[in-house]
Amino acid sequence: NAGVTQTPKFRILKIGQSMTLQCAQDMNHNYMYWYRQDPGMGLKLIYYSVGAGITDKGEVPNGYNVSRSTTEDFPLRLELAAPSQTSVYFCASSRQVPNTGELFFGEGSRLTVL
Amino acid sequence: DQQVKQNSPSLSVQEGRISILNCDYTNSMFDYFLWYKKYPAEGPTFLISISSIKDKNEDGRFTVFLNKSAKHLSLHIVPSQPGDSAVYFCAASSRWETSGSRLTFGEGTQLTVNP
Repeated sequence: NAGVTQTPKFRILKIGQSMTLQCAQDMNHNYMYWYRQDPGMGLKLIYYSVGAGITDKGEVPNGYNVSRSTTEDFPLRLELAAPSQTSVYFCASSRQVPNTGELFFGEGSRLTVL
Repeated sequence: DQQVKQNSPSLSVQEGRISILNCDYTNSMFDYFLWYKKYPAEGPTFLISISSIKDKNEDGRFTVFLNKSAKHLSLHIVPSQPGDSAVYFCAASSRWETSGSRLTFGEGTQLTVNP
Protein backbone atom coordinates (compact mmCIF):
# COMPACT_ATOMS: atom_id res chain seq x y z
CA ASN A 1 0.00 0.00 0.00
CA ALA A 2 1.51 3.32 -1.12
CA GLY A 3 -0.50 5.59 1.23
CA VAL A 4 0.56 9.22 0.68
CA THR A 5 3.25 9.77 -1.96
CA GLN A 6 5.17 13.03 -2.29
CA THR A 7 7.53 14.09 -5.07
CA PRO A 8 10.21 15.31 -5.26
CA LYS A 9 11.93 14.33 -2.00
CA PHE A 10 14.58 17.02 -2.38
CA ARG A 11 14.79 20.20 -4.45
CA ILE A 12 16.99 23.27 -4.57
CA LEU A 13 15.44 26.41 -6.05
CA LYS A 14 16.84 29.82 -6.86
CA ILE A 15 15.07 32.90 -5.54
CA GLY A 16 12.19 33.80 -7.84
CA GLN A 17 11.80 30.37 -9.39
CA SER A 18 8.53 28.46 -9.24
CA MET A 19 7.79 24.81 -8.69
CA THR A 20 5.05 22.36 -7.78
CA LEU A 21 5.24 19.76 -5.02
CA GLN A 22 3.17 16.76 -5.95
CA CYS A 23 1.06 14.75 -3.52
CA ALA A 24 -1.08 11.70 -4.21
CA GLN A 25 -2.98 9.36 -1.92
CA ASP A 26 -4.55 6.02 -2.72
CA MET A 27 -6.73 5.62 0.38
CA ASN A 28 -9.79 7.43 -1.05
CA HIS A 29 -9.55 10.03 1.70
CA ASN A 30 -11.65 13.15 1.28
CA TYR A 31 -9.44 15.40 3.38
CA MET A 32 -5.95 16.45 2.36
CA TYR A 33 -3.46 18.89 3.87
CA TRP A 34 -0.15 20.58 3.31
CA TYR A 35 2.07 21.33 6.31
CA ARG A 36 5.52 22.80 6.55
CA GLN A 37 8.01 22.01 9.27
CA ASP A 38 10.70 24.50 10.23
CA PRO A 39 13.40 23.59 12.76
CA GLY A 40 12.07 23.84 16.32
CA MET A 41 8.73 25.17 15.10
CA GLY A 42 6.54 22.10 14.73
CA LEU A 43 4.22 21.73 11.75
CA LYS A 44 2.24 24.65 10.38
CA LEU A 45 -0.82 24.18 8.14
CA ILE A 46 -0.47 25.85 4.73
CA TYR A 47 -3.63 24.76 2.88
CA TYR A 48 -6.20 22.03 3.20
CA SER A 49 -8.99 20.50 1.15
CA VAL A 50 -12.19 18.73 2.19
CA GLY A 51 -12.85 17.29 -1.25
CA ALA A 52 -12.28 17.68 -4.97
CA GLY A 53 -12.77 21.28 -6.03
CA ILE A 54 -12.72 22.64 -2.45
CA THR A 55 -9.63 24.21 -0.87
CA ASP A 56 -9.05 26.65 1.96
CA LYS A 57 -6.21 28.51 3.61
CA GLY A 58 -4.48 27.31 6.72
CA GLU A 59 -2.24 29.20 9.09
CA VAL A 60 0.60 30.14 6.69
CA PRO A 61 -0.77 30.29 3.09
CA ASN A 62 1.15 33.29 1.74
CA GLY A 63 3.37 32.45 -1.23
CA TYR A 64 1.58 29.18 -2.00
CA ASN A 65 -1.33 27.96 -4.08
CA VAL A 66 -3.15 24.64 -4.28
CA SER A 67 -5.69 22.89 -6.42
CA ARG A 68 -7.74 19.73 -5.94
CA SER A 69 -9.12 18.50 -9.23
CA THR A 70 -9.34 14.85 -8.12
CA THR A 71 -9.77 13.03 -4.80
CA GLU A 72 -6.30 11.52 -5.16
CA ASP A 73 -4.10 14.54 -5.95
CA PHE A 74 -3.34 17.72 -4.04
CA PRO A 75 -0.40 19.64 -5.57
CA LEU A 76 1.21 22.62 -3.82
CA ARG A 77 2.48 25.43 -6.04
CA LEU A 78 5.24 27.82 -4.97
CA GLU A 79 5.36 31.00 -7.03
CA LEU A 80 8.41 33.28 -6.80
CA ALA A 81 10.34 31.20 -4.30
CA ALA A 82 11.88 33.04 -1.35
CA PRO A 83 14.49 31.92 1.22
CA SER A 84 11.73 31.96 3.87
CA GLN A 85 10.14 29.02 2.04
CA THR A 86 13.13 26.81 2.80
CA SER A 87 11.49 24.06 4.81
CA VAL A 88 10.35 20.45 4.86
CA TYR A 89 6.88 20.08 3.38
CA PHE A 90 4.51 17.31 4.40
CA CYS A 91 1.35 16.30 2.63
CA ALA A 92 -1.26 14.40 4.62
CA SER A 93 -4.70 12.93 4.21
CA SER A 94 -7.48 11.78 6.51
CA ARG A 95 -10.85 10.06 6.42
CA GLN A 96 -14.05 12.05 6.52
CA VAL A 97 -15.88 9.31 8.38
CA PRO A 98 -15.03 8.55 11.05
CA ASN A 99 -13.34 11.85 11.69
CA THR A 100 -10.80 10.64 14.21
CA GLY A 101 -8.24 13.36 13.58
CA GLU A 102 -5.68 10.78 12.49
CA LEU A 103 -3.63 12.13 9.60
CA PHE A 104 -1.61 9.93 7.27
CA PHE A 105 1.55 11.73 6.22
CA GLY A 106 3.86 11.39 3.26
CA GLU A 107 7.62 11.15 3.75
CA GLY A 108 8.17 14.85 3.14
CA SER A 109 9.79 17.08 0.51
CA ARG A 110 12.86 19.04 1.57
CA LEU A 111 13.04 22.36 -0.27
CA THR A 112 15.96 24.77 -0.17
CA VAL A 113 15.70 28.23 -1.70
CA LEU A 114 19.05 29.94 -2.37
CA ASP B 1 0.77 32.78 19.18
CA GLN B 2 1.78 29.21 19.95
CA GLN B 3 -1.46 27.53 21.01
CA VAL B 4 0.19 24.15 21.63
CA LYS B 5 3.54 24.12 23.40
CA GLN B 6 6.02 21.43 24.18
CA ASN B 7 8.51 23.12 26.45
CA SER B 8 11.13 20.38 26.44
CA PRO B 9 13.01 20.18 23.12
CA SER B 10 14.70 16.97 24.21
CA LEU B 11 14.46 14.14 26.74
CA SER B 12 16.91 11.33 27.44
CA VAL B 13 15.97 8.19 29.42
CA GLN B 14 17.41 4.75 30.08
CA GLU B 15 15.95 1.69 28.44
CA GLY B 16 13.28 0.11 30.63
CA ARG B 17 12.48 3.33 32.50
CA ILE B 18 9.46 5.59 32.05
CA SER B 19 9.46 8.42 29.49
CA ILE B 20 7.13 11.34 30.20
CA LEU B 21 6.54 13.89 27.47
CA ASN B 22 4.55 17.01 28.28
CA CYS B 23 2.34 19.35 26.31
CA ASP B 24 0.39 22.50 27.21
CA TYR B 25 -2.33 24.24 25.25
CA THR B 26 -4.00 27.63 25.52
CA ASN B 27 -7.07 27.38 23.28
CA SER B 28 -10.06 26.26 25.38
CA MET B 29 -11.89 25.26 22.19
CA PHE B 30 -9.54 22.32 21.71
CA ASP B 31 -11.30 19.12 22.68
CA TYR B 32 -9.33 16.40 20.93
CA PHE B 33 -5.65 15.70 21.37
CA LEU B 34 -3.22 13.45 19.57
CA TRP B 35 0.40 12.37 19.75
CA TYR B 36 2.46 11.70 16.65
CA LYS B 37 5.87 10.09 16.40
CA LYS B 38 8.44 11.00 13.77
CA TYR B 39 11.61 9.22 12.73
CA PRO B 40 14.27 11.04 10.66
CA ALA B 41 13.47 11.29 6.93
CA GLU B 42 9.96 9.97 7.48
CA GLY B 43 6.56 11.60 7.91
CA PRO B 44 4.89 11.71 11.33
CA THR B 45 2.79 8.70 12.27
CA PHE B 46 -0.20 8.65 14.58
CA LEU B 47 0.47 7.18 18.02
CA ILE B 48 -2.45 7.75 20.38
CA SER B 49 -5.30 10.20 20.95
CA ILE B 50 -7.66 11.34 23.67
CA SER B 51 -10.99 13.13 23.70
CA SER B 52 -11.74 15.82 26.24
CA ILE B 53 -14.46 13.66 27.76
CA LYS B 54 -11.73 11.34 29.07
CA ASP B 55 -8.75 11.95 31.30
CA LYS B 56 -6.75 8.86 30.32
CA ASN B 57 -6.29 6.62 27.31
CA GLU B 58 -4.03 3.57 27.13
CA ASP B 59 -2.63 1.63 24.22
CA GLY B 60 -0.04 -0.95 25.20
CA ARG B 61 3.07 0.80 26.51
CA PHE B 62 1.63 4.23 25.71
CA THR B 63 -0.72 6.19 27.97
CA VAL B 64 -1.94 9.73 27.45
CA PHE B 65 -3.25 11.76 30.39
CA LEU B 66 -5.36 14.89 30.00
CA ASN B 67 -5.81 17.55 32.68
CA LYS B 68 -8.39 19.93 31.25
CA SER B 69 -8.35 22.40 34.12
CA ALA B 70 -4.59 22.84 33.69
CA LYS B 71 -4.79 22.62 29.88
CA HIS B 72 -2.04 20.03 30.05
CA LEU B 73 -1.51 16.60 28.60
CA SER B 74 1.28 14.10 28.91
CA LEU B 75 2.41 10.94 27.15
CA HIS B 76 3.86 8.13 29.25
CA ILE B 77 5.89 5.36 27.67
CA VAL B 78 6.54 2.37 29.92
CA PRO B 79 8.90 0.62 29.55
CA SER B 80 10.92 2.77 27.17
CA GLN B 81 12.78 0.98 24.36
CA PRO B 82 15.61 2.18 22.09
CA GLY B 83 13.20 1.97 19.13
CA ASP B 84 11.09 4.66 20.80
CA SER B 85 13.84 7.20 20.06
CA ALA B 86 12.12 9.74 17.81
CA VAL B 87 10.56 13.20 17.79
CA TYR B 88 7.14 13.26 19.46
CA PHE B 89 4.60 15.90 18.45
CA CYS B 90 1.57 16.85 20.46
CA ALA B 91 -1.41 18.05 18.39
CA ALA B 92 -4.86 19.44 19.14
CA SER B 93 -8.08 20.17 17.30
CA SER B 94 -11.66 21.27 17.80
CA ARG B 95 -13.92 18.34 16.94
CA TRP B 96 -16.83 20.62 16.24
CA GLU B 97 -15.05 21.73 13.09
CA THR B 98 -16.72 20.08 10.15
CA SER B 99 -14.01 21.03 7.71
CA GLY B 100 -11.53 18.25 8.15
CA SER B 101 -9.10 17.56 10.93
CA ARG B 102 -7.06 20.74 11.06
CA LEU B 103 -4.52 19.99 13.73
CA THR B 104 -2.40 22.51 15.62
CA PHE B 105 0.98 21.00 16.43
CA GLY B 106 3.49 21.64 19.16
CA GLU B 107 7.18 22.11 18.47
CA GLY B 108 8.10 18.50 19.18
CA THR B 109 10.28 16.75 21.77
CA GLN B 110 13.25 14.61 20.74
CA LEU B 111 13.21 11.46 22.88
CA THR B 112 16.40 9.43 23.13
CA VAL B 113 16.25 6.05 24.86
CA ASN B 114 19.70 4.82 25.80
CA PRO B 115 20.42 1.06 25.92
